[in-house]
Amino acid sequence: DIVMTQSPLFLPVTPGEPASISCRSSQSLLQSNGYNYLAWYLQKPGQSPQLLIYLDSNRASGVPDRFSGSGSGTDFTLKISRVEAEDVGVYYCMHTRQTPYTFGQGTKVEIK
Amino acid sequence: EVQLVESGGGVVQPGGSLRLSCAASGFTFTSYFMHWVRHVPGKGLVWVSHISTDGRIATYADSVKGRFTVSRDNAKNMLYLQMDSLRAEDTAIYYCAKSNNYALDIWGQGSMVTVSS
Repeated sequence: DIVMTQSPLFLPVTPGEPASISCRSSQSLLQSNGYNYLAWYLQKPGQSPQLLIYLDSNRASGVPDRFSGSGSGTDFTLKISRVEAEDVGVYYCMHTRQTPYTFGQGTKVEIK
Repeated sequence: EVQLVESGGGVVQPGGSLRLSCAASGFTFTSYFMHWVRHVPGKGLVWVSHISTDGRIATYADSVKGRFTVSRDNAKNMLYLQMDSLRAEDTAIYYCAKSNNYALDIWGQGSMVTVSS
C-alpha cells in the first residue's frame, strides 16, 4: 500500500498570511498519462470533506484561487496564499494511483 | 443540484450486520465510479471501497475485505454498503462519494455506524 505522510500535523495560521502543507507518498503517484493522482480535501468542523485540488494542481469547481497545489512524483504541496477565517479545518491529501487509495493523517489548521 | 444522501446507520452489536444506502441525484449516476469512505471522529479518513459504473468491479480495503460488500442499482440511482461481521473498530461515520475519474468530488453528509454491545 502507498503510505501518505503529511506535515505539519498542526498548523496555527494568521488571517491574511500564507500557509503551506506538505504531503509525501511512499511511491510515485505519476501515471503513464503524465498526471499525478493526488488530491487535497478540506473537512471543515462538523462538515463532510470537500474536494479542493485534484491531479495535484487542478482546483475543483468553486474553490477560491487562493488555494493552489503543486508537486510531482512523491512530493506535493498545498498552498493558501492568504488564509481566511473560513479556511479552518483538517486538510487531507489522498492518492488514487492504485487501490487501496489512502489518505494522509490530516493537518489541522486553526487561527492563531 | 448534485447530491448524495446516506441512510441506514445506527447501533449494532459486534458480529451484527447493517446496510447503508446512498441516494444519488443531479448527475448521471451510471457514468461514475462510486466510493465509500469512513471517518472515526478525532482520527483520519479511510477509504473503504469503490465500485465500477456497471457494478461488475468492486474493490475493498484489507480491513473490510470479506466482510463488506458494495453494490449499486443504476435503475434507482442507489449505492449500497452491506456490512457483516461488524467489529468495534468499524465504528465510524460512513460517507458515500462520487468519483470525477480522478478524485472524490462530491460527498454525502455521512451516516454514523456504532458497533457496541
